[in-house]
Amino acid sequence: LAKTTQPISMDSYEGQEVNITCSHNNIATNDYITWYQQFPSQGPRFIIQGYKTKVTNEVASLFIPADRKSSTLSLPRVSLSDTAVYYCLVLIYNQGGKLIFGQGTELSVKP
Amino acid sequence: DGGITQSPKYLFRKEGQNVTLSCEQNLNHDAMYWYRQDPGQGLRLIYYSQIVNDFQKGDIAEGYSVSREKKESFPLTVTSAQKNPTAFYLCASSRGQGDPEAFFGQGTRLTVV
Repeated sequence: LAKTTQPISMDSYEGQEVNITCSHNNIATNDYITWYQQFPSQGPRFIIQGYKTKVTNEVASLFIPADRKSSTLSLPRVSLSDTAVYYCLVLIYNQGGKLIFGQGTELSVKP
Repeated sequence: DGGITQSPKYLFRKEGQNVTLSCEQNLNHDAMYWYRQDPGQGLRLIYYSQIVNDFQKGDIAEGYSVSREKKESFPLTVTSAQKNPTAFYLCASSRGQGDPEAFFGQGTRLTVV
């Protein structure tokens, strides 16, 4: 089982770039890395997924080194509305795509 | 409007009663999931289903039951055997195996008194 480990909390200020790193030492060859965002009292929302190197979309970038044992979610120029919990997941291919959420990182963006 | 709908948003029940939480999706998704979230905690998987008439236990299935008789519906029953049922329950759906993008409902907050 590809367990993930990420910081419990992070603080940032508006306009800064935020990087949240997740370690997944036991990731298997066919597994993908996925990140979700959750606001209080709401369901999580998919942000980005990747397999290796770098993926970028309109919301974030995801950096995955060659050994794939970690990944970094990068949020450019955060605003107050980016205050949320961010979850790193490994989509385990041989378990039928079962989505297992870890503890998440609580990001607090201050003015 | 396509999406995933959970009802009700708030639910109160007396201890010892079974209660069923509704989850409906019109996204034509094959996979559906139920999660439980306690205050300040991450999501824990209760049950998931990859196809109609089939479902698997997640990490905390004890005290819960599900059915998947229709593709669009995945109701969760919280039974009296569940020791601490008060929690925030989230339902999700996805296209299925290999697809990492799950769509979540707004959740049901269950309080047992």
